[in-house]
Amino acid sequence: EAEVAQSPRYKITEKSQAVAFWCDPISGHATLYWYRQILGQGPELLVQFQDESVVDDSQLPKDRFSAERLKGVDSTLKIQPAELGDSAMYLCASSLGGNTEAFFGQGTRLTVV
Amino acid sequence: GENVEQHPSTLSVQEGDSAVIKCTYSDSASNYFPWYKQELGKRPQLIIDIRSNVGEKKDQRIAVTLNKTAKHFSLHITETQPEDSAVYFCASPTGRRALTFGSGTRLQVQP
Repeated sequence: EAEVAQSPRYKITEKSQAVAFWCDPISGHATLYWYRQILGQGPELLVQFQDESVVDDSQLPKDRFSAERLKGVDSTLKIQPAELGDSAMYLCASSLGGNTEAFFGQGTRLTVV
Repeated sequence: GENVEQHPSTLSVQEGDSAVIKCTYSDSASNYFPWYKQELGKRPQLIIDIRSNVGEKKDQRIAVTLNKTAKHFSLHITETQPEDSAVYFCASPTGRRALTFGSGTRLQVQP
């Protein structure tokens, strides 16, 4: 069964350092999402891509976060510099677009110390 | 933007009882309403969804109802089992936007 792949699964970094997460969506899924999930809360959208274009990044803290999906397939989310409040689970999801099921990856659990 | 409110935040039931989780949404243009289940340490996974052209959908022990006039939708789990214990999230999109998730309901099924 096809899955959304994410790496790394866990990341510990010191504040002010740079960190990057990678996501490979299900083959053929044009829409890719990055969500952040703080413990005990629901996922919150950071950025949405349609192919290589950003559809919505209104909730992305652009002073420190960046995301790209250069060839419209895999994607990278970067934080520089990391802050203590960035500690969370970063979930990538993909879908065929429109109102169709979003499939989530296992996530990257980030701890900033 | 879309606002999705979910309650209760926690729900404890005895095995075999029913559980109901309710959500309200703000955007009258929303037309797709999925429910996700997230077990501890795992990814959210879709368990059922409903579109605005129907009022109810069932899949074995799980059902979802939608009231577009009142802008709320509910998840119903019957004959609950210990393996139903998890956090459940409702969600709703707005147009081309991604899903906005509720705050989650932690369901505990007591054996």
